[in-house]
Amino acid sequence: EAGVTQFPSHSVIEKGQTVTLRCDPISGHDNLYWYRRVMGKEIKFLLHFVKESKQDESGMPNNRFLAERTGGTYSTLKVQPAELEDSGVYFCASSQETSPPSLPEGTQYFGPGTRLLVL
Amino acid sequence: RKEVEQDPGPFNVPEGATVAFNCTYSNSASQSFFWYRQDCRKEPKLLMSVYSSGNEDGRFTAQLNRASQYISLLIRDSKLSDSATYLCVGWGGATNKLIFGTGTLLAVQP
Repeated sequence: EAGVTQFPSHSVIEKGQTVTLRCDPISGHDNLYWYRRVMGKEIKFLLHFVKESKQDESGMPNNRFLAERTGGTYSTLKVQPAELEDSGVYFCASSQETSPPSLPEGTQYFGPGTRLLVL
Repeated sequence: RKEVEQDPGPFNVPEGATVAFNCTYSNSASQSFFWYRQDCRKEPKLLMSVYSSGNEDGRFTAQLNRASQYISLLIRDSKLSDSATYLCVGWGGATNKLIFGTGTLLAVQP
């Protein structure tokens, strides 16, 4: 079974440009999450989709970030315009159910991440 | 104050050593706790859940002390392949989000 995939693996852009990150969750997983790790900090939650609906977007840093999950399958995270402080690794994760991760159906499986560098 | 705090390390230990990682959490953090492992430039992967009664999986033992808001991970008989960053993680319950510590880097030396 294919895991969570993310595209691109790396992106280098200039300040002010737009970047769109894509995440394909594990097939059949209704729950999709975005997290990011900026340099020297811990991985932080950005938002959570259940199918196509935003369940929790409390971690989105500001309105330059827009996440979508049309059709409830893959998701995109757009940063427009990008700023220097947006540099970091953006992880996507998916889970079958909205359950504790101690349960198999609640385990959040992470993708390999997109490394974003804003110059 | 961070919701989940860890000593960032690095911990440099010889093969065969026993190493312990600690983590503390704030009241608001979580209902459940986990240890994740992250290899260099890879994604985090669930290592094990942490229970008050303790949880053992081979050479790994995890423990939760709710009274002290303290979580531990013990690795016995360290292997070279154990070298990685170990992330202490809380689960937010109703919010369903994972709350990560900064991670502790372990380097097992031959």
